[in-house]
Amino acid sequence: KAGVTQTPRYLIKTRGQQVTLSCSPISGHRSVSWYQQTPGQGLQFLFEYFSETQRNKGNFPGRFSGRQFSNSRSEMNVSTLELGDSALYLCASSLNGESTDTQYFGPGTRLTVL
Amino acid sequence: AQKITQTQPGMFVQEKEAVTLDCTYDTSDQSYGLFWYKQPSSGEMIFLIYQGSYDEQNATEGRYSLNFQKARKSANLVISASQLGDSAMYFCAMREDGLTGYSTLTFGKGTMLLVSP
Repeated sequence: KAGVTQTPRYLIKTRGQQVTLSCSPISGHRSVSWYQQTPGQGLQFLFEYFSETQRNKGNFPGRFSGRQFSNSRSEMNVSTLELGDSALYLCASSLNGESTDTQYFGPGTRLTVL
Repeated sequence: AQKITQTQPGMFVQEKEAVTLDCTYDTSDQSYGLFWYKQPSSGEMIFLIYQGSYDEQNATEGRYSLNFQKARKSANLVISASQLGDSAMYFCAMREDGLTGYSTLTFGKGTMLLVSP
């Protein structure tokens, strides 16, 4: 079974631009979660999607948004980029997003904002 | 209060020795899951082992075992016979059902493990 894939792997943007990151979950997985990882804040939960609906949202500004498609693929968008948005963005999928479900992560997208 | 505490920022171990990475957690939920992930310098988070709150036996996966002490809210990872490829950052994480019934994964700050020849 193919793992979680994320595209692109690397991105360089400038302040004020917007960016869209993509995540394809493991086949059969319906829950997709996004995390931001920075050296200062560690791993922080952004949001979770299940059956095209956002079920949970972390404490991030409205510039961070996402969506999930009917095939469970997910995208996250960051508008009006700031320098502090430079981070590794990780996507994870699990079967149904329950507490006993294991989340499997993709390789991440490393975003650099100049 | 932190939900996941990893008190060891860094650990050193010699090849072929065993090492224990500490993790304590805080939750009032009865149903939760505890996970350990490995993150090499490439950045990918690799799932290692899972322990459910109702599991009575400690989880094991090859060279990895989880020392689960529920009353102490402790979920330490034990790596037996360390290998050079085990050098990486290790994260303990917890997933709770929460009030909404939907769960999120909360991570500790991680422990950097360095394995020397």
